Amino acid sequence: DAEITQSPRHKITETGRQVTLACHQTWNHNNMFWYRQDLGHGLRLIHYSYGVQDTNKGEVSDGYSVSRSNTEDLPLTLESAASSQTSVYFCASSEFERGHNEQFFGPGTRLTVL
Amino acid sequence: QQQVKQSPQSLIVQKGGISIINCAYENTAFDYFPWYQQFPGKGPALLIAIRPDVSEKKEGRFTISFNKSAKQFSLHIMDSQPGDSATYFCAATSDRGSTLGRLYFGRGTQLTVWP
Repeated sequence: DAEITQSPRHKITETGRQVTLACHQTWNHNNMFWYRQDLGHGLRLIHYSYGVQDTNKGEVSDGYSVSRSNTEDLPLTLESAASSQTSVYFCASSEFERGHNEQFFGPGTRLTVL
Repeated sequence: QQQVKQSPQSLIVQKGGISIINCAYENTAFDYFPWYQQFPGKGPALLIAIRPDVSEKKEGRFTISFNKSAKQFSLHIMDSQPGDSATYFCAATSDRGSTLGRLYFGRGTQLTVWP
């Protein structure tokens, strides 16, 4: 069965370190998204991609970067982790289909920045 | 600027009762309105969705009501069950333009159904 996976599921790091969160999907979807979830803020879009070599900034992109070298993967990098980036991160993927725009979410990565 | 506003932030309902969550949007280009359900420790999953050409969509105990003129839509959960306890997100998107495929989420409603 097709799926979307994230790793690691839990990560503790220190302020200033570079961190990369992995996202891998086997749906063969062109669209991939990264969100962060914080209490009271819901799901906020960090970056998204419509295909290989395409990346776009979302509403909370400062301090984060992504690159898309293949269809299956969209790693999220925190260049210099800050305590404000402590959050739960979700990756999602979708494919354009007129009349239906379902995003499939991964299980999430809980990141703690000390 | 939040594109989709959701209320209430939390909701407590007795088993068998009706749960109602409301959302409002401003962008008239939105033409697809899904609701996502999220259980603790899991990613959100699509629950039900509606397009603006209909005013209501029902799937089992879950119903979306849509008011295009008021730019509002709501989720009704009939005969609420403890297993419905979860966080619910409304969202909106468009099939065209620069926001193609991008979902704009409300801030979520934490629903607790007491047995």
